Amino acid sequence: GAVVSQHPSWVICKSGTSVKIECRSLDFQATTMFWYRQFPKQSLMLMATSNEGSKATYEQGVEKDKFLINHASLTLSTLTVTSAHPEDSSFYICSASRGSRQPQHFGDGTRLSIL
Amino acid sequence: KQEVTQIPAALSVPEGENLVLNCSFTDSAIYNLQWFRQDPGKGLTSLLLIQSSQREQTSGRLNASLDKSSGRSTLYIAASQPGDSATYLCALTDSWGKLQFGAGTQVVVTP
Repeated sequence: GAVVSQHPSWVICKSGTSVKIECRSLDFQATTMFWYRQFPKQSLMLMATSNEGSKATYEQGVEKDKFLINHASLTLSTLTVTSAHPEDSSFYICSASRGSRQPQHFGDGTRLSIL
Repeated sequence: KQEVTQIPAALSVPEGENLVLNCSFTDSAIYNLQWFRQDPGKGLTSLLLIQSSQREQTSGRLNASLDKSSGRSTLYIAASQPGDSATYLCALTDSWGKLQFGAGTQVVVTP
């Protein structure tokens, strides 16, 4: 058990558009979901933590108005990159856990390329 | 602020050799430590999780040790295979449940 599905796996879009990425826990209820960003040859950096039904908590330096996170149910969280620009191109990975200190289960990531 | 360092950044070994991957951290106030595997363009697969009160964990050919006092963890992979080629990440869980990752060690096992 503990399968996390992330969609889409790859998206290319024009500068200025908004992109939504979905993260679903398929076989468990995810009280807490996390969103990470990974640049080439670098480690994963936590962007924000979301608890079901609450506003997301963003890490320092992450613009909450640019990266909108919604966690409206125990199985779904979404990350919307608003008015995306080339510098937002990156690999975005979500994870889901049954609680704040429970093991995190990761999605397969979304490769975002902004032209 | 916690800093996690992984050395070496890249490693290439012939098939059959044992792999030794190192992870060091600066703050010993951790909840647990995990080793993950990441294949190119993919998400993370958890390999081993060591609670802060434990010294090591084993799963098949994998063994991970944890020494909080010296701020170190080591992942051993015995009798490496080409399928072990991937990037290996260590990550620490803090008291808030957040993971802090190292930059990873890219491993290539040649047939």
